[in-house]
Amino acid sequence: DIQMTQSPSTLSASVGDRVTITCRASQTISSWLAWYQQKPGRAPKLLIYKVSSLEDGVPSRFSGSGSGTEFTLSISSLQPDDFATYYCQQYSINPWTFGQGTMVDIK
Amino acid sequence: QLQLQESGPGLVKPSETLSLTCTVSGYSISSPPYYWAWIRQPPGKGLEWTATIHYGGSTYYNPSLKSRITISLDKSKNQFALKLSSVTAADTAVYYCARRVLGMAYFDYWGRGILVTVSS
Repeated sequence: DIQMTQSPSTLSASVGDRVTITCRASQTISSWLAWYQQKPGRAPKLLIYKVSSLEDGVPSRFSGSGSGTEFTLSISSLQPDDFATYYCQQYSINPWTFGQGTMVDIK
Repeated sequence: QLQLQESGPGLVKPSETLSLTCTVSGYSISSPPYYWAWIRQPPGKGLEWTATIHYGGSTYYNPSLKSRITISLDKSKNQFALKLSSVTAADTAVYYCARRVLGMAYFDYWGRGILVTVSS
């Protein structure tokens, strides 16, 4: 299975900060990467697919980049609604696998 | 507006079979171009894809569960189902049903999830 490793596991930030989360794959996954946001007690919400394509309705402050084995999710100016846990997911090779998550909390 | 809703028992005994149903509204599950999937999340842990079914009926399973898991469609009820046999405490999780896009295996719509606890 492809292992997806996110860093950091927890990130403390303030409203207005630029935030970057990294996701590394154990082998190349080309551009087959998605990002999700999950709030406590809620289902994950798709933010980005194919590394950098924003899902409909997702604010433009979210962006994704990378290729091969290293990818990033950036939030240009953190908003109160963005405090959540973020997961990456590879869909290059079955079984599709997720990172362990990065919790973004209030500094 | 597409909606997915999980249902089933919240408590299952060890060694028994976990059975869940996802009711889809706002779209026919037998129509292209989507797949339908189950993803689970143990309490306080990350996400694990378990199974996917194509609108035409082809199935795909996580190899770690393949000997115990079955996914199926009930087109007459616009539902799809998950069965997981010989459960243990390690199968305790929130189970989400979700929609997968054709050609790319990410999940764009999710149900709210159902907590299933395996305990005697």
